[in-house]
Amino acid sequence: GDSVTQMEGPVTLSEEAFLTINCTYTATGYPSLFWYVQYPGEGLQLLLKATKADDKGSNKGFEATYRKETTSFHLEKGSVQVSDSAVYFCALSDNTGGFKTIFGAGTRLFVKA
Amino acid sequence: ETGVTQTPRHLVMGMTNKKSLKCEQHLGHNAMYWYKQSAKKPLELMFVYSLEERVENNSVPSRFSPECPNSSHLFLHLHTLQPEDSALYLCASSQDGRGTYNEQFFGPGTRLTVL
Repeated sequence: GDSVTQMEGPVTLSEEAFLTINCTYTATGYPSLFWYVQYPGEGLQLLLKATKADDKGSNKGFEATYRKETTSFHLEKGSVQVSDSAVYFCALSDNTGGFKTIFGAGTRLFVKA
Repeated sequence: ETGVTQTPRHLVMGMTNKKSLKCEQHLGHNAMYWYKQSAKKPLELMFVYSLEERVENNSVPSRFSPECPNSSHLFLHLHTLQPEDSALYLCASSQDGRGTYNEQFFGPGTRLTVL
């Protein structure tokens, strides 16, 4: 079945450091890919998405590119801020109307001032 | 109100109590979801409703009973829960179930503690 694997955390960075959170997926078709973020005490919210190969999703300085050849969707940000401290979830959803989104286990990010 | 709202935000109940969680979405979406989020475990999909019909039920114990009276409201009825059911329960909605249209909008969750 479909699955998502993302790097284990926590990830601890200093402010203005470069961030990469790795995500790889297994899917039988051509899914849409998402990154969600969860701030303390809140639900998940969509950070960015990509719907086909080579698409790049971007938002709030974060970027991720849909790489079909490596089945990856790594999240990057050039300069993190303390306010980026949160848990980040990679996810996929197939395009066949199955209503199921597969989430990764989440990666907690701590950014120090 | 905008987005997805959930009430109550916090709930403490005994194992013999009966309580209900409520979710409301103001986005005009057709699909609604219940997820369970426990510490150090992946997000678990519990139930999915599409146009008020249940389309997914992932082997959830019968002590959890969902209800979807219309496309804007979703309930999770709880009875005779166990301490291991303590978790954050998240409601979400999406336009429908297909790929990019399955972008999900989450509520803030109900933090449930079972004593």
